[in-house]
Amino acid sequence: QVQLVQSGGEVKKPGSSVKISCRASGFTFTSFGFSWVRQAPGQGLEWMGWISVHNPDTSNAQKFQGRVILTADKATNTAYMELRGLRFDDTAVYYCARSGPMRFDTSGFYHFWGQGTLVTVSS
Amino acid sequence: ETVLTQFPGTLSLSPGDRVSLSCRASQAVGARYVAWYQKKPGQTPRLLMYGASTRPTGIPDRFSGSGSGTDFTLTITSLEPEDFAVYYCHQYYGSPHTFGGGTKVEMK
Repeated sequence: QVQLVQSGGEVKKPGSSVKISCRASGFTFTSFGFSWVRQAPGQGLEWMGWISVHNPDTSNAQKFQGRVILTADKATNTAYMELRGLRFDDTAVYYCARSGPMRFDTSGFYHFWGQGTLVTVSS
Repeated sequence: ETVLTQFPGTLSLSPGDRVSLSCRASQAVGARYVAWYQKKPGQTPRLLMYGASTRPTGIPDRFSGSGSGTDFTLTITSLEPEDFAVYYCHQYYGSPHTFGGGTKVEMK
């Protein structure tokens, strides 16, 4: 069955970086893309970015330009999201979600999600 | 960027009620590129609808979706106790993807 397993929670200092992994199984990793979504306490879902494993393509929300780096390791079927320059308001649960392999893709919805990774930014 | 506006923000309803949740896009989005999710505290979002009106396997038929262009609707014909949650619309036409702010369906 399709599974996305994320790395564990992290506590980080302001200004530092966090890198979250999302290990995929149960499907052909290279046929899809992965989106990253976060939810801050008491807030809604916020799209951060997307990476295609199928093609060399990636896209980030304008808000995170220059701070988020998305990568995918085909050898280990793992997607990664690194967020740099952490601020207090980056405290949130971060989710990976399987998405389509193309930018304009009718399969770009998120049927499968990782369990979420809580990142707490605290001094 | 396509902004999705969901309204109302909160609905206070009772089990058995019928509810329609609205999602309006700031520009036209192809119907095949709109999804709806249910989110409960401490749980992963659950896909309810994709392509505006297609239910994934396992989603009860009391959930239905409709819409095109800029206006989309998720309807729950008869609320069950487990349906009280926050609902988000999502558009995935090109990039960036965006989510609506959510509608909370709470028990009266």
